[in-house]
Amino acid sequence: EAGVAQSPRYKIIEKRQSVAFWCNPISGHATLYWYQQILGQGPKLLIQFQNNGVVDDSQLPKDRFSAERLKGVDSTLKIQPAKLEDSAVYLCASSSNGQPETQYFGPGTRLLVL
Amino acid sequence: GDSVTQMEGPVTLSEEAFLTINCTYTATGYPSLFWYVQYPGEGLQLLLKATKADDKGSNKGFEATYRKETTSFHLEKGSVQVSDSAVYFCAPHQTGANNLFFGTGTRLTVIP
Repeated sequence: EAGVAQSPRYKIIEKRQSVAFWCNPISGHATLYWYQQILGQGPKLLIQFQNNGVVDDSQLPKDRFSAERLKGVDSTLKIQPAKLEDSAVYLCASSSNGQPETQYFGPGTRLLVL
Repeated sequence: GDSVTQMEGPVTLSEEAFLTINCTYTATGYPSLFWYVQYPGEGLQLLLKATKADDKGSNKGFEATYRKETTSFHLEKGSVQVSDSAVYFCAPHQTGANNLFFGTGTRLTVIP
């Protein structure tokens, strides 16, 4: 079974630029998560989707971050404009039933904002 | 609110040494408790879990016991290997909550 795929793996941009990350969850997984992992910290949930609907985006900085999952499969996370403090690893995870035991993580996209 | 405190790293051990990584949490009610591991260059993986008091989770030689009285879930392994070098995250999960709440992680390096 293929795992959660993410791209790109690495991205370097200058502040105020825009960037987008892509995630392809495990086939059949209805729940999709985006986490932000700042260096030296644990992952923090940004947004959770159930199919193509948002379940929780309470910690998403909506003035600059946006995410969508239009067809209930792939998802994109966008930052516009980026700030220095957005430098982090962005993790995508998916789950078959929304329970932690079934949550599988992708390898992450490492973003550096200069 | 909920919080989790993990033993600060990095931790460096020789092969076959005993490992303990402390984890304590504060939460309302009785959360399920998880340990995740992140090997170099890989995504987070579930290592083990416990869902109620006195449960012991175990996997790959690692163990952790859900201690309600001390609100702890310390990770232990009797004899570590070089391949155990990774970052370990403690994560409580409240029933009905949407997401896991991760600790800051503890980096373990095992040297031959």
